[in-house]
Amino acid sequence: KNEVEQSPQNLTAQEGEFITINCSYSVGISALHWLQQHPGGGIVSLFMLSSGKKKHGRLIATINIQEKHSSLHITASHPRDSAVYICAVVTGANSKLTFGKGITLSVRP
Amino acid sequence: SAVISQKPSRDICQRGTSLTIQCQVDSQVTMMFWYRQQPGQSLTLIATANQGSEATYESGFVIDKFPISRPNLTFSTLTVSNMSPEDSSIYLCSVDEGGTEAFFGQGTRLTVV
Repeated sequence: KNEVEQSPQNLTAQEGEFITINCSYSVGISALHWLQQHPGGGIVSLFMLSSGKKKHGRLIATINIQEKHSSLHITASHPRDSAVYICAVVTGANSKLTFGKGITLSVRP
Repeated sequence: SAVISQKPSRDICQRGTSLTIQCQVDSQVTMMFWYRQQPGQSLTLIATANQGSEATYESGFVIDKFPISRPNLTFSTLTVSNMSPEDSSIYLCSVDEGGTEAFFGQGTRLTVV
């Protein structure tokens, strides 16, 4: 059974803080997604990683395949970053996605 | 990239009734996926919608409860049948492009009363 664990479960930060969200998984994967879900339920894909590091604006995602771990960093956080951040791993020949439960981030002004 | 239009965005339904959720993609895609997200839980795959053949259902999900249509490469529907309060969830459709990137609809927030 592949488990995707995210930590911390909930996170509150002050505007401007540097934020790190973690994801660990238990089996070999071909890639990992970081997703953002807003209160209405819609999901936006932030990154897909298979190795190394990616950066987009204030967001940075890293992955360590050997340690089965990925992190999402948000620099200079802003209240509009408040959302649920979900980690999902890609496994199998059919590229099946397995999701973590997500972390609820609240950034206070 | 693919843009997915999902509707309705939310609905409140009486138990025993059915609701059909639609997803329209702005490009042709081979596979479309339907997920359920129960309150406080992670997304769970319901089924994979294949064009021209029956959907492939995951363990715990059956066609009678969640019939799926896929009439062409840009459109799919999921019906939640004979609803009960336990079906209250967010339902999402998704596509991926050869496993390189995943795209999601806006979600349908369903409340069954």
